[in-house]
Amino acid sequence: GEDVEQSLFLSVREGDSSVINCTYTDSSSTYLYWYKQEPGAGLQLLTYIFSNMDMKQDQRLTVLLNKKDKHLSLRIADTQTGDSAIYFCAERTDSWGKLQFGAGTQVVVTP
Amino acid sequence: EAQVTQNPRYLITVTGKKLTVTCSQNMNHEYMSWYRQDPGLGLRQIYYSMNVEVTDKGDVPEGYKVSRKEKRNFPLILESPSPNQTSLYFCAAGDGETQYFGPGTRLLVL
Repeated sequence: GEDVEQSLFLSVREGDSSVINCTYTDSSSTYLYWYKQEPGAGLQLLTYIFSNMDMKQDQRLTVLLNKKDKHLSLRIADTQTGDSAIYFCAERTDSWGKLQFGAGTQVVVTP
Repeated sequence: EAQVTQNPRYLITVTGKKLTVTCSQNMNHEYMSWYRQDPGLGLRQIYYSMNVEVTDKGDVPEGYKVSRKEKRNFPLILESPSPNQTSLYFCAAGDGETQYFGPGTRLLVL
């Protein structure tokens, strides 16, 4: 079955760049997503990329997709304390929209 | 404003007492789904619906029921809750390209 893997924890200094990595197994994935979950809150859609793209940039966020290696990354430039959260990578595995999630990466931003 | 709402946000109940968690969306999306979030496991899909009166099982459907009588509503029903259904539940609505999540319902079954 499908499996999405992420590292569990990332610590980064305020002002530095953060890179969160994700690997997935379903080569037929059409869309790949990054969601952010702040403590006690729901999931906020941060950005997503269609599988025929290599890169997508949206303000401080850059998504890189390597389809050959089934590797997805999210780079956050100039990381701020408000970026502290759990970040989930997800792939869409069917034509209707079912999402397969990773376990989430806890990002802690230190001053 | 595009919204997915869930009620209640927090619920404590006892084993075997039927409960319903409501979900409503104002975006006119056809696709809706329920997920549960457990530590270290990410989110797992419980049930989904592709349109009114069309529902199907996700990865972890045991112990849950759903219905889709109207496009905007997709309630999650636990007929006889058990402690292993203690979790954080999310409803989502999507348009085929993006999915938006509700704020979550934290359920504790004693």
